Amino acid sequence: AQSVTQLDSQVPVFEEAPVELRCNYSSSVSVYLFWYVQYPNQGLQLLLKYLSGSTLVKGINGFEAEFNKSQTSFHLRKPSVHISDTAEYFCAVSGNDYKLSFGAGTTVTVRA
Amino acid sequence: ETGVTQSPTHLIKTRGQQVTLRCSSQSGHNTVSWYQQALGQGPQFIFQYYREEENGRGNFPPRFSGLQFPNYSSELNVNALELDDSALYLCASSLGGGRARSYEQYFGPGTRLTVT
Repeated sequence: AQSVTQLDSQVPVFEEAPVELRCNYSSSVSVYLFWYVQYPNQGLQLLLKYLSGSTLVKGINGFEAEFNKSQTSFHLRKPSVHISDTAEYFCAVSGNDYKLSFGAGTTVTVRA
Repeated sequence: ETGVTQSPTHLIKTRGQQVTLRCSSQSGHNTVSWYQQALGQGPQFIFQYYREEENGRGNFPPRFSGLQFPNYSSELNVNALELDDSALYLCASSLGGGRARSYEQYFGPGTRLTVT
């Protein structure tokens, strides 16, 4: 079984500053890793995914993440945030069973 | 390309009642998964349907049941509602099976269920 730990429940950040959201996973089999964003009163939008290949993956809205197998991590980064990046961010992992296991989420609040 | 849609948007039910939530998958997708997201938490996997068959189930009691139809749309039914069933119910579609399968799941906007 897979599980996900998001190490930060809340991350306040100033506009145009960089942000990093930390995610660690546990799994005994091959994993597929995802980051989703959820804006207030909305569903989940896929930001980026790691399936195989290059460990640095780029997603939408300027986000990127790095898969580190030895540290079982998949941290999300953005070099310069905007007010519109204020949202809840979820890290998720799945195996060959397609079931997504989510972390508890990280609330990002961007301040001017 | 049509995205994932869910209905209704909001729903209020009384404890002990039954509810049916509906989901239309994204065009070309044959797999639907349902998730429950309680307030302030990450989504929890309920079950998945692939080509009208249940294809995996999370830690939810049998009063949570589902269906998938030939057009790949899906229903989630919850019987004997409890207060703790109050949550956002999310449907996600994906392309499963065969060489063309994908691991990405695309989510609908959710149905907010309140049980009083």
